[in-house]
Amino acid sequence: AQTVTQSQPEMSVQEAETVTLSCTYDTSENNYYLFWYKQPPSRQMILVIRQEAYKQQNATENRFSVNFQKAAKSFSLKISDSQLGDTAMYFCAFMKLGNEKLTFGTGTRLTIIP
Amino acid sequence: NAGVTQTPKFQVLKTGQSMTLQCAQDMNHEYMSWYRQDPGMGLRLIHYSVGAGITDQGEVPNGYNVSRSTTEDFPLRLLSAAPSQTSVYFCASSYSSRGGGQPQHFGDGTRLSIL
Repeated sequence: AQTVTQSQPEMSVQEAETVTLSCTYDTSENNYYLFWYKQPPSRQMILVIRQEAYKQQNATENRFSVNFQKAAKSFSLKISDSQLGDTAMYFCAFMKLGNEKLTFGTGTRLTIIP
Repeated sequence: NAGVTQTPKFQVLKTGQSMTLQCAQDMNHEYMSWYRQDPGMGLRLIHYSVGAGITDQGEVPNGYNVSRSTTEDFPLRLLSAAPSQTSVYFCASSYSSRGGGQPQHFGDGTRLSIL
């Protein structure tokens, strides 16, 4: 079974600064996908970014980028030029190839301070 | 295009009552699933379905029942509500059930309180 660990329950950063959220996972699979989801106070689950394990290149989506270290089983999310709208819970999630089931971490509550 | 629609958004039940949480998607998605979200525990998979007529258990299935008679609908039934089932419930769907890393689309959640 896979496990996903987010060791930072809460973080805060000043607006316009850069912040990095950590995620580690444990799996014996070689092919899988990793995701970061954002959950603002509205409770919606919004996909932020997706990484395919067979791709060495780190995924980026505008101000969001990941640092994917497959050997270390690490998948951190970097948010550049943070904005007030980035305030949310962030969940790291794992999906193995051939199965749609998501395994989530416990989340990091990020607060952007004006 | 409504996406994934969950009803109701809020519900309060008494211990022992039964109810059905509704989930519908209009994207012709094969895969649908239910998660529960509890403080400090992230989201945990309750049940999932890879197509009409096919369902299977996830990580925390006890006390819940599902069926998938159509592609669009995937209701979650609480047979006899218990306080431990107080949680926020999310329905999700994705285009393919073949595990190709397709993004999952989530409903807005149902906050359920069991007294």
